Amino acid sequence: RKEVEQDPGPFNVPEGATVAFNCTYSNSASQSFFWYRQDCRKEPKLLMSVYSSGNEDGRFTAQLNRASQYISLLIRDSKLSDSATYLCVVNLTPSGSARQLTFGSGTQLTVLP
Amino acid sequence: DAGITQSPRHKVTETGTPVTLRCHQTENHRYMYWYRQDPGHGLRLIHYSYGVKDTDKGEVSDGYSVSRSKTEDFLLTLESATSSQTSVYFCAITERGSSGNTIYFGEGSWLTVV
Repeated sequence: RKEVEQDPGPFNVPEGATVAFNCTYSNSASQSFFWYRQDCRKEPKLLMSVYSSGNEDGRFTAQLNRASQYISLLIRDSKLSDSATYLCVVNLTPSGSARQLTFGSGTQLTVLP
Repeated sequence: DAGITQSPRHKVTETGTPVTLRCHQTENHRYMYWYRQDPGHGLRLIHYSYGVKDTDKGEVSDGYSVSRSKTEDFLLTLESATSSQTSVYFCAITERGSSGNTIYFGEGSWLTVV
């Protein structure tokens, strides 16, 4: 089992749709969680951190479920510009050291007109 | 923008030749990292540095060496490039934030070994 797993997709959704991605992680002691967005042939960019109580940034909502060891990303009212690959990033150790960051392989989203 | 520049951005080289990728940062970050990204594997840590002349191995360090003689520069060297090292390489830095250490990436260096 991979330490961080994501459904690779692709997810093809119409404009305006709501879409959700999940990411499971293996270490229950994990402390830090993030979602990154990566456009084709570009570097990953931080989309949002994931807080224990859940957090929202505009159309994007991130949630953490420690009991089931997964994080989720919900995108409402999808835009064409949301088309990208979404990476789940987890720090698997309690120390929070960045060298212990583990990246999911990414979920590909295409928003269709 | 984390102030990271990578060079070269694209390179094609022959098997067996040495290759050096450069990462330059302008914001005095202590920690720097080299990752490679391949389909199905996600980003994997090659080497990292926690200060000038202080480096350590990551998950996939075989075939790679690094050097950091100045705070602003972190070099990744492939001593004798192989086709399996064809990949996109990202340099990164970390910043301490409310969620712990957040990582920021350079624009990437696309390397093809033929």
